[in-house]
Amino acid sequence: QKEVEQNSGPLSVPEGAIASLNCTYSDRGSQSFFWYRQYSGKSPELIMSIYSNGDKEDGRFTAQLNKASQYVSLLIRDSQPSDSATYLCAVMDKFYFGSGTKLNVKP
Amino acid sequence: DTGVSQDPRHKITKRGQNVTFRCDPISEHNRLYWYRQTLGQGPEFLTYFQNEAQLEKSRLLSDRFSAERPKGSFSTLEIQRTEQGDSAMYLCASSLGTRNEKLFFGSGTQLSVL
Repeated sequence: QKEVEQNSGPLSVPEGAIASLNCTYSDRGSQSFFWYRQYSGKSPELIMSIYSNGDKEDGRFTAQLNKASQYVSLLIRDSQPSDSATYLCAVMDKFYFGSGTKLNVKP
Repeated sequence: DTGVSQDPRHKITKRGQNVTFRCDPISEHNRLYWYRQTLGQGPEFLTYFQNEAQLEKSRLLSDRFSAERPKGSFSTLEIQRTEQGDSAMYLCASSLGTRNEKLFFGSGTQLSVL
């Protein structure tokens, strides 16, 4: 079992829809979780961090954490074509990244 | 430019040769990380430094890989006797120095081993 698992996608959503990206992790003791966005040929850039159970909102992005289920998600509201990228889930206690989910937002 | 800087951007080498990459972190950042990324995969942790001390190194990291951060500023990653499987993007990142800090990534060094 990988330390951080993500569906590789691609996930296709129409412009304006909500994109839902999911991630599970194996280490029950993990405390810090990050979502990074990576455009093709570019380096990862941080979108959000979350440490506590529940939801954390930042603009069009909402991160959700459920430690009991070892599950992290990222919701992108009002998806735009510019959101098309690979989204990486990271568990930073162990420096692990998932393999990423590719998101395509269709105009 | 106050971002993380990596040099070179691209490196092509023949199998068996040694290569060295350099990373200059954001100036006030105490932590420096090296990751490796191949196509379709997420970044794979290699090692990290707190100032000049190398605090963790991946169990998966071959003895052919070595990293230094001699004065707690820039870092170098050396790969000895390169193999075709070493072909990847090598990413450097830095952070302010508390655990769980967000990482700022450089543009990476793309290594191709022929």
